[in-house]
Amino acid sequence: GIQVEQSPPDLILQEGANSTLRCNFSDSVNNLQWFHQNPWGQLINLFYIPSGTKQNGRLSATTVATERYSLLYISSSQTTDSGVYFCAVEPLTGFQKLVFGTGTRLLVSP
Amino acid sequence: GAGVSQTPSNKVTEKGKYVELRCDPISGHTALYWYRQSLGQGPEFLIYFQGTGAADDSGLPNDRFFAVRPEGSVSTLKIQRTERGDSAVYLCASSPLSGREYNEQFFGPGTRLTVL
Repeated sequence: GIQVEQSPPDLILQEGANSTLRCNFSDSVNNLQWFHQNPWGQLINLFYIPSGTKQNGRLSATTVATERYSLLYISSSQTTDSGVYFCAVEPLTGFQKLVFGTGTRLLVSP
Repeated sequence: GAGVSQTPSNKVTEKGKYVELRCDPISGHTALYWYRQSLGQGPEFLIYFQGTGAADDSGLPNDRFFAVRPEGSVSTLKIQRTERGDSAVYLCASSPLSGREYNEQFFGPGTRLTVL
């Protein structure tokens, strides 16, 4: 099956710093989503981005489907950005199910 | 509007018991999914419903697991003869299957199942 790898696995930032999270996937996909799992376990939708670039406030994402990767940019990080960031892909033949990556655990300190 | 809701939020049971976990999807969403998340890992797919029928149940680990969605809305995940290895957070998601972002999945808060 499709493999989804995220880097880095762990990231520690000072408040105000910028960061880039990467998601690589091993096969073509229909869809890609980025999620933030907060410390209470809730998965929060960040982007639905099968291709192209989107921005939402301090966050932006770019997916280059032909090269099988996606990037999530966090600017001016805040302590509330802490948690685990997952990318998840919908394989071409996956009947709409999502395959999640390994996650990036982010800690933003004041 | 209301998001995906799941009940109970926590369930503690003894090995060998039967449990039911409930999911209320976003109103009007055609697709419903169940995932399981073990500690330190990403969610893993269990089963997908399109309407009332299970379109893909390839992620169910064995025949102790079963899920239904009889009226195309609420779904129940049923686990028979629970084992300690079933302990995890069970997540439900739904998506509209229409519009530009047809399969954007929205997740509920999960049910944390602990099998003693």
